[in-house]
Amino acid sequence: AQSVTQLGSHVSVSEGALVLLRCNYSSSVPPYLFWYVQYPNQGLQLLLKYTSAATLVKGINGFEAEFKKSETSFHLTKPSAHMSDAAEYFCAVSDTGTASKLTFGTGTRLQVTL
Amino acid sequence: GAVVSQHPSRVICKSGTSVKIECRSLDFQATTMFWYRQFPKQSLMLMATSNEGSKATYEQGVEKDKFLINHASLTLSTLTVTSAHPEDSSFYICSASRLAGIETQYFGPGTRLLVL
Repeated sequence: AQSVTQLGSHVSVSEGALVLLRCNYSSSVPPYLFWYVQYPNQGLQLLLKYTSAATLVKGINGFEAEFKKSETSFHLTKPSAHMSDAAEYFCAVSDTGTASKLTFGTGTRLQVTL
Repeated sequence: GAVVSQHPSRVICKSGTSVKIECRSLDFQATTMFWYRQFPKQSLMLMATSNEGSKATYEQGVEKDKFLINHASLTLSTLTVTSAHPEDSSFYICSASRLAGIETQYFGPGTRLLVL
């Protein structure tokens, strides 16, 4: 069985500061990992994904994440936060053998302050 | 590319009535569609997976007779909440992928259901 743990349900950073959203996964097989962003009352938008190629994955809006197998982590970072980054962020894991079925973490709400 | 739409975006209904939610892939053919439910301030919970032309696969604890899913074409899946009750009020989100396996899921904007 797969699972995802997102440490910190709420993260607050100042505009221009580093964003770090944590995600740890558990999977019995090599995982595919995803980060999605959700703005209020909207669906999810894919930020980036890891599918066993490069361990450092670059996504949209300046976000990136690094797959660390030894730490079972896939933390999301952005060097400089912008007010428009305020949203809910979900980490998800897919077992490659089960047809894209995603297991989501509980989400982290990012607040960006002036 | 890879746009998924949902209709309606918001629906209010009386208890005991049925509500149909449509999920469409606008610019690609979706072999597989997924239906999720999201309660306020919580994560998405997968309800069922549907493949075009076959019966949906429901997750444990999801009543298949209450949440009817039809995936009649490669661009359309529908979720019907039958005999809705207030506890069915939630945010329902669909997603679609071109192929089973490693293909990314593309999410619709969601449908907010309120049952009075």
